[in-house]
Amino acid sequence: AQSVAQPEDQVNVAEGNPLTVKCTYSVSGNPYLFWYVQYPNRGLQFLLKYITGDNLVKGSYGFEAEFNKSQTSFHLKKPSALVSDSALYFCAVRDQAGTALIFGKGTTLSVSS
Amino acid sequence: NAGVTQTPKFQVLKTGQSMTLQCAQDMNHEYMSWYRQDPGMGLRLIHYSVGAGITDQGEVPNGYNVSRSTTEDFPLRLLSAAPSQTSVYFCASREAGGTGELFFGEGSRLTVL
Repeated sequence: AQSVAQPEDQVNVAEGNPLTVKCTYSVSGNPYLFWYVQYPNRGLQFLLKYITGDNLVKGSYGFEAEFNKSQTSFHLKKPSALVSDSALYFCAVRDQAGTALIFGKGTTLSVSS
Repeated sequence: NAGVTQTPKFQVLKTGQSMTLQCAQDMNHEYMSWYRQDPGMGLRLIHYSVGAGITDQGEVPNGYNVSRSTTEDFPLRLLSAAPSQTSVYFCASREAGGTGELFFGEGSRLTVL
């Protein structure tokens, strides 16, 4: 069965420092992977996705993610964090039937000034 | 474009009452879905639809009904509300096919007393 794990409930970084939000996955076949962000009292917003091709995927708001097949990971990264990046981040994988996204439990990112 | 519109944003029900959460999208998306978000559990799929007249169950369908009479609308019905259905509900849509990103509504916060 497909699954996604986000091992950290919370990540704290100082503004200007690089940030990483971790995600590992378990799927049968080729993974289709996504990152979403949720600001307080809002719906989820798409950040980026990996379908195939280059292992480094660039997305919205300066975020990028690195796909690592051998480690079954898809970590979200940003070279320089902003206070406005503080939010809840979800990693997701498409299920094998292609009918749903399976979400991780989410990681709260807190960026301090 | 309004995107995905959910109503109501907030609702309080008593145990045993029924209600319908409305969802409408104006992007002509074939695929629509309902998720519930609970603290520490991420998002879980309730029901989904791949087109008008076609619906199917997700991970947590019990206690909920859906129908899809038009491409635009995908209402979620709670037949007899229970406290366990206290949650934030999100409607999401995307184009046909499995690799496109989901577009989310702003959410409906439901409390069942």
